[in-house]
Amino acid sequence: NAGVTQTPKFRVLKTGQSMTLLCAQDMNHEYMYWYRQDPGMGLRLIHYSVGEGTTAKGEVPDGYNVSRLKKQNFLLGLESAAPSQTSVYFCASSYARRGYTFGSGTRLTVV
Amino acid sequence: TQLLEQSPQFLSIQEGENLTVYCNSSSVFSSLQWYRQEPGEGPVLLVTVVTGGEVKKLKRLTFQFGDARKDSSLHITAAQPGDTGLYLCAGAQPGANNLFFGTGTRLTVIP
Repeated sequence: NAGVTQTPKFRVLKTGQSMTLLCAQDMNHEYMYWYRQDPGMGLRLIHYSVGEGTTAKGEVPDGYNVSRLKKQNFLLGLESAAPSQTSVYFCASSYARRGYTFGSGTRLTVV
Repeated sequence: TQLLEQSPQFLSIQEGENLTVYCNSSSVFSSLQWYRQEPGEGPVLLVTVVTGGEVKKLKRLTFQFGDARKDSSLHITAAQPGDTGLYLCAGAQPGANNLFFGTGTRLTVIP
Protein backbone atom coordinates (compact mmCIF):
# COMPACT_ATOMS: atom_id res chain seq x y z
CA ASN A 1 0.00 0.00 0.00
CA ALA A 2 2.44 2.64 -1.25
CA GLY A 3 -0.14 5.41 -1.82
CA VAL A 4 1.72 8.34 -3.36
CA THR A 5 5.45 8.00 -4.02
CA GLN A 6 7.69 10.95 -4.86
CA THR A 7 11.23 10.77 -6.19
CA PRO A 8 13.77 12.07 -5.46
CA LYS A 9 13.43 13.03 -1.79
CA PHE A 10 16.24 15.59 -1.89
CA ARG A 11 18.00 17.42 -4.68
CA VAL A 12 20.42 20.32 -5.07
CA LEU A 13 20.49 22.09 -8.42
CA LYS A 14 22.60 24.87 -9.81
CA THR A 15 20.82 27.88 -11.28
CA GLY A 16 19.87 27.15 -14.88
CA GLN A 17 19.86 23.35 -14.57
CA SER A 18 16.78 21.32 -15.35
CA MET A 19 15.16 18.40 -13.57
CA THR A 20 12.00 16.33 -13.37
CA LEU A 21 10.19 15.37 -10.19
CA LEU A 22 8.33 12.10 -10.37
CA CYS A 23 5.03 11.27 -8.68
CA ALA A 24 3.35 7.88 -8.80
CA GLN A 25 0.07 6.78 -7.18
CA ASP A 26 -1.41 3.30 -6.97
CA MET A 27 -4.95 4.20 -5.87
CA ASN A 28 -6.44 4.67 -9.35
CA HIS A 29 -7.17 8.33 -8.54
CA GLU A 30 -8.24 10.55 -11.40
CA TYR A 31 -7.03 13.82 -9.88
CA MET A 32 -3.37 14.63 -9.22
CA TYR A 33 -1.72 17.84 -8.00
CA TRP A 34 1.65 19.45 -7.49
CA TYR A 35 2.06 21.92 -4.60
CA ARG A 36 5.00 23.81 -3.21
CA GLN A 37 5.30 24.61 0.47
CA ASP A 38 7.26 27.62 1.69
CA PRO A 39 7.52 29.08 5.21
CA GLY A 40 4.65 31.47 5.90
CA MET A 41 3.07 30.82 2.49
CA GLY A 42 1.33 27.52 3.07
CA LEU A 43 0.70 25.07 0.26
CA ARG A 44 0.38 26.70 -3.14
CA LEU A 45 -0.90 24.85 -6.17
CA ILE A 46 1.47 24.73 -9.15
CA HIS A 47 -0.37 22.54 -11.67
CA TYR A 48 -2.98 19.85 -11.49
CA SER A 49 -4.59 17.17 -13.64
CA VAL A 50 -8.16 15.84 -13.65
CA GLY A 51 -7.31 12.79 -15.74
CA GLU A 52 -4.83 11.08 -18.02
CA GLY A 53 -3.66 13.40 -20.77
CA THR A 54 -5.02 16.58 -19.11
CA THR A 55 -3.22 19.31 -17.19
CA ALA A 56 -4.16 22.75 -15.90
CA LYS A 57 -2.41 25.70 -14.28
CA GLY A 58 -2.71 26.42 -10.60
CA GLU A 59 -1.83 29.46 -8.53
CA VAL A 60 1.93 29.57 -9.22
CA PRO A 61 2.63 27.80 -12.56
CA ASP A 62 5.43 30.01 -13.96
CA GLY A 63 8.74 28.21 -14.44
CA TYR A 64 7.17 24.74 -14.25
CA ASN A 65 5.73 22.27 -16.73
CA VAL A 66 3.84 19.03 -16.13
CA SER A 67 2.77 15.92 -17.98
CA ARG A 68 0.23 13.18 -17.24
CA LEU A 69 0.88 10.55 -19.90
CA LYS A 70 -0.27 7.72 -17.66
CA LYS A 71 -3.05 7.84 -15.08
CA GLN A 72 -0.77 6.77 -12.25
CA ASN A 73 2.07 9.22 -12.96
CA PHE A 74 2.31 13.00 -12.78
CA LEU A 75 5.64 14.62 -13.68
CA LEU A 76 6.77 18.12 -12.69
CA GLY A 77 9.55 19.69 -14.73
CA LEU A 78 11.80 22.65 -14.09
CA GLU A 79 13.39 23.73 -17.36
CA SER A 80 15.80 26.34 -15.96
CA ALA A 81 15.93 26.30 -12.18
CA ALA A 82 16.07 29.57 -10.23
CA PRO A 83 16.82 30.18 -6.53
CA SER A 84 13.16 31.25 -6.07
CA GLN A 85 12.21 27.65 -6.81
CA THR A 86 13.94 26.43 -3.66
CA SER A 87 11.09 24.80 -1.79
CA VAL A 88 9.51 21.57 -0.64
CA TYR A 89 7.35 20.05 -3.38
CA PHE A 90 4.40 17.83 -2.62
CA CYS A 91 2.43 15.66 -4.97
CA ALA A 92 -1.10 14.62 -4.05
CA SER A 93 -3.88 12.58 -5.58
CA SER A 94 -7.59 12.31 -4.93
CA TYR A 95 -10.81 10.70 -6.09
CA ALA A 96 -12.70 13.68 -7.52
CA ARG A 97 -12.36 16.49 -4.91
CA ARG A 98 -12.39 14.25 -1.90
CA GLY A 99 -9.58 14.02 0.63
CA TYR A 100 -6.10 14.26 -0.77
CA THR A 101 -3.38 11.65 -0.26
CA PHE A 102 0.01 13.34 -0.21
CA GLY A 103 3.47 12.04 -0.91
CA SER A 104 6.28 12.65 1.56
CA GLY A 105 7.76 15.52 -0.44
CA THR A 106 10.85 16.50 -2.42
CA ARG A 107 13.16 19.05 -0.82
CA LEU A 108 14.75 21.07 -3.62
CA THR A 109 17.53 23.60 -3.18
CA VAL A 110 18.65 25.78 -6.09
CA VAL A 111 22.03 27.46 -5.58
CA THR B 1 -4.16 37.62 0.17
CA GLN B 2 -4.94 34.20 1.63
CA LEU B 3 -8.34 32.73 0.89
CA LEU B 4 -8.21 30.89 4.19
CA GLU B 5 -6.76 32.49 7.31
CA GLN B 6 -5.73 30.29 10.19
CA SER B 7 -5.17 31.42 13.76
CA PRO B 8 -3.14 31.29 15.77
CA GLN B 9 -0.07 30.75 13.60
CA PHE B 10 1.87 29.22 16.48
CA LEU B 11 0.64 27.61 19.69
CA SER B 12 2.69 26.08 22.48
CA ILE B 13 0.84 24.42 25.35
CA GLN B 14 1.40 22.00 28.19
CA GLU B 15 0.27 18.40 27.99
CA GLY B 16 -3.30 18.04 29.25
CA GLU B 17 -4.47 21.51 28.21
CA ASN B 18 -7.31 22.18 25.79
CA LEU B 19 -6.96 24.31 22.66
CA THR B 20 -8.89 25.60 19.68
CA VAL B 21 -7.56 26.64 16.29
CA TYR B 22 -9.55 28.57 13.73
CA CYS B 23 -9.89 28.66 9.98
CA ASN B 24 -11.71 31.70 8.58
CA SER B 25 -12.66 33.03 5.16
CA SER B 26 -15.00 35.51 3.54
CA SER B 27 -15.81 32.90 0.89
CA VAL B 28 -18.27 30.02 0.99
CA PHE B 29 -16.94 26.49 0.65
CA SER B 30 -18.78 23.35 -0.42
CA SER B 31 -16.59 21.36 1.98
CA LEU B 32 -13.69 21.89 4.29
CA GLN B 33 -10.95 19.51 5.31
CA TRP B 34 -8.40 19.40 8.11
CA TYR B 35 -4.94 17.88 7.75
CA ARG B 36 -2.04 17.30 10.14
CA GLN B 37 1.52 17.44 8.91
CA GLU B 38 4.55 16.16 10.81
CA PRO B 39 8.12 17.25 10.04
CA GLY B 40 9.51 15.71 6.88
CA GLU B 41 6.18 14.25 5.85
CA GLY B 42 3.22 15.22 3.72
CA PRO B 43 -0.10 16.33 5.23
CA VAL B 44 -2.48 13.57 6.34
CA LEU B 45 -6.24 14.00 6.12
CA LEU B 46 -8.03 14.09 9.47
CA VAL B 47 -11.61 14.92 8.55
CA THR B 48 -13.94 16.38 5.92
CA VAL B 49 -16.99 18.48 6.85
CA VAL B 50 -19.61 19.30 4.22
CA THR B 51 -22.76 20.59 5.94
CA GLY B 52 -23.08 24.00 7.60
CA GLY B 53 -23.11 23.54 11.38
CA GLU B 54 -21.72 20.02 11.12
CA VAL B 55 -19.69 18.71 14.06
CA LYS B 56 -17.40 15.70 13.78
CA LYS B 57 -15.39 14.04 16.52
CA LEU B 58 -12.21 12.04 16.13
CA LYS B 59 -11.20 10.80 19.59
CA ARG B 60 -10.05 13.97 21.41
CA LEU B 61 -10.41 16.17 18.32
CA THR B 62 -13.68 17.99 17.56
CA PHE B 63 -14.20 19.70 14.21
CA GLN B 64 -16.97 22.17 13.44
CA PHE B 65 -18.05 23.73 10.16
CA GLY B 66 -19.63 27.16 10.46
CA ASP B 67 -23.33 27.59 9.72
CA ALA B 68 -22.55 29.79 6.71
CA ARG B 69 -19.80 27.38 5.52
CA LYS B 70 -17.18 30.15 5.64
CA ASP B 71 -15.23 29.02 8.68
CA SER B 72 -14.24 26.05 10.78
CA SER B 73 -12.65 25.23 14.10
CA LEU B 74 -10.63 22.39 15.54
CA HIS B 75 -10.76 21.77 19.29
CA ILE B 76 -8.36 19.39 20.99
CA THR B 77 -9.14 18.15 24.49
CA ALA B 78 -6.35 17.13 26.86
CA ALA B 79 -3.58 17.64 24.32
CA GLN B 80 -0.78 15.09 24.17
CA PRO B 81 2.76 15.37 22.77
CA GLY B 82 1.65 13.17 19.86
CA ASP B 83 -0.67 15.99 18.77
CA THR B 84 2.34 18.14 17.92
CA GLY B 85 2.39 19.14 14.27
CA LEU B 86 1.22 21.59 11.63
CA TYR B 87 -2.57 21.72 11.29
CA LEU B 88 -3.87 22.80 7.90
CA CYS B 89 -7.39 23.58 6.82
CA ALA B 90 -8.34 23.32 3.16
CA GLY B 91 -11.52 24.39 1.41
CA ALA B 92 -13.23 23.32 -1.79
CA GLN B 93 -15.02 26.14 -3.57
CA PRO B 94 -18.08 25.29 -5.68
CA GLY B 95 -17.02 24.45 -9.23
CA ALA B 96 -13.28 24.45 -8.50
CA ASN B 97 -11.17 21.37 -9.20
CA ASN B 98 -8.73 21.85 -6.35
CA LEU B 99 -8.51 22.69 -2.66
CA PHE B 100 -7.26 26.00 -1.24
CA PHE B 101 -5.04 25.59 1.80
CA GLY B 102 -4.64 27.85 4.79
CA THR B 103 -1.16 28.78 6.06
CA GLY B 104 -1.47 26.47 9.03
CA THR B 105 -1.23 26.45 12.82
CA ARG B 106 1.95 25.00 14.24
CA LEU B 107 1.12 23.26 17.51
CA THR B 108 3.68 22.15 20.09
CA VAL B 109 2.55 20.14 23.09
CA ILE B 110 5.13 20.11 25.87
CA PRO B 111 5.28 16.99 28.03
